[in-house]
Amino acid sequence: AQRVTQPEKLLSVFKGAPVELKCNYSYSGSPELFWYVQYSRQRLQLLLRHISRESIKGFTADLNKGETSFHLKKPFAQEEDSAMYYCALDSNYQLIWGAGTKLIIKP
Amino acid sequence: DADVTQTPRNRITKTGKRIMLECSQTKGHDRMYWYRQDPGLGLRLIYYSFDVKDINKGEISDGYSVSRQAQAKFSLSLESAIPNQTALYFCATQLGPGDLNSPLHFGNGTRLTVT
Repeated sequence: AQRVTQPEKLLSVFKGAPVELKCNYSYSGSPELFWYVQYSRQRLQLLLRHISRESIKGFTADLNKGETSFHLKKPFAQEEDSAMYYCALDSNYQLIWGAGTKLIIKP
Repeated sequence: DADVTQTPRNRITKTGKRIMLECSQTKGHDRMYWYRQDPGLGLRLIYYSFDVKDINKGEISDGYSVSRQAQAKFSLSLESAIPNQTALYFCATQLGPGDLNSPLHFGNGTRLTVT
């Protein structure tokens, strides 16, 4: 069965420290994966998708098929990165969502 | 960005009542979706529509119905609300066809409480 797991409900790091938000997936085909973010008082929005191989706001995410992971990383956290982050998997044009990780950046 | 508008923002209703949540968009997107979000569960798909004449059930469609009145409007109905339908409901749109992995654009959500 297709599934997306984000093992951490809450992640708290200090400003300037590296951040890694974990995402593991279960999918039988070739996965298309996304990270969405919801900042306080803003709408849920796309952060990045793996097919674009882009870096957005300093975040990157690499698809590791061997480990079935798509972890989101940023080398130096900033206070404005505090938000709720969701990993999502495209399955026949429908998204399967992880439960989300709340990231708190401490000053 | 008010391209995807959900009404109402908050609603409290009683068990057994019929309720409609509305979503309208000015983005000109063909695809529209209804999700519900519960604490610790992420988003789950209720219904989706790829164009005006296309309606599809999602993962958790039982107890819900939808209507795609126009390209810009997609309504979600609870015919007889029950307490476990208390949740945050999101509408989303997506450009399509031709760009199957284009991003979803979300509304602000409707917080529904069924007492």
